[in-house]
Amino acid sequence: RKEVEQDPGPFNVPEGATVAFNCTYSNSASQSFFWYRQDCRKEPKLLMSVYSSGNEDGRFTAQLNRASQYISLLIRDSKLSDSATYLCVVNAGGTSYGKLTFGQGTILTVHP
Amino acid sequence: NAGVMQNPRHLVRRRGQEARLRCSPMKGHSHVYWYRQLPEEGLKFMVYLQKENIIDESGMPKERFSAEFPKEGPSILRIQQVVRGDSAAYFCASSPNGADSGNTIYFGEGSWLTVV
Repeated sequence: RKEVEQDPGPFNVPEGATVAFNCTYSNSASQSFFWYRQDCRKEPKLLMSVYSSGNEDGRFTAQLNRASQYISLLIRDSKLSDSATYLCVVNAGGTSYGKLTFGQGTILTVHP
Repeated sequence: NAGVMQNPRHLVRRRGQEARLRCSPMKGHSHVYWYRQLPEEGLKFMVYLQKENIIDESGMPKERFSAEFPKEGPSILRIQQVVRGDSAAYFCASSPNGADSGNTIYFGEGSWLTVV
């Protein structure tokens, strides 16, 4: 079983649509959770951290369920510029500082 | 842009040659991480270094791969006797300290290695 598993995708949605991505992780000791965005042949960039209470940043909402070891990302009112690969990322913490575990990513294409 | 600098951005090597990838962390950062992204896969942790020390190399292949972060100069990821399966994007990241927070880790633009 992969340490971080994501929806296989790809997702192909029209502008203005709402789209949700899911992710599960296997290491119950994981302490930090993130969504990253990666454009084609670019480096991953932090989109947002994910907190147990849930958090929102503009059109993006992230949720974490520690009991189910489940993370989600909701994008509302999709824009063409949202087209990218979305990476679910987990950090075990402790002495594993900076040792991030990435999911394989979900490709999102937003079309006119 | 005083971000994480990687070079070369693109490197082509023939099978059996050596590849050296360099990474200069952000100013003030003393912790460096290397990740590899194989085609159609997610990033995989390779190694975590501080100045002159390897802290965690659990993701490094057992053979042909080595990394260093000397007291002076950039971090170097060295791949000896490259094979086609080494073709990948190699990302370096740095952080100011070992803080457990992904949002203090900054990635470079990557080095794309192609082995022919």
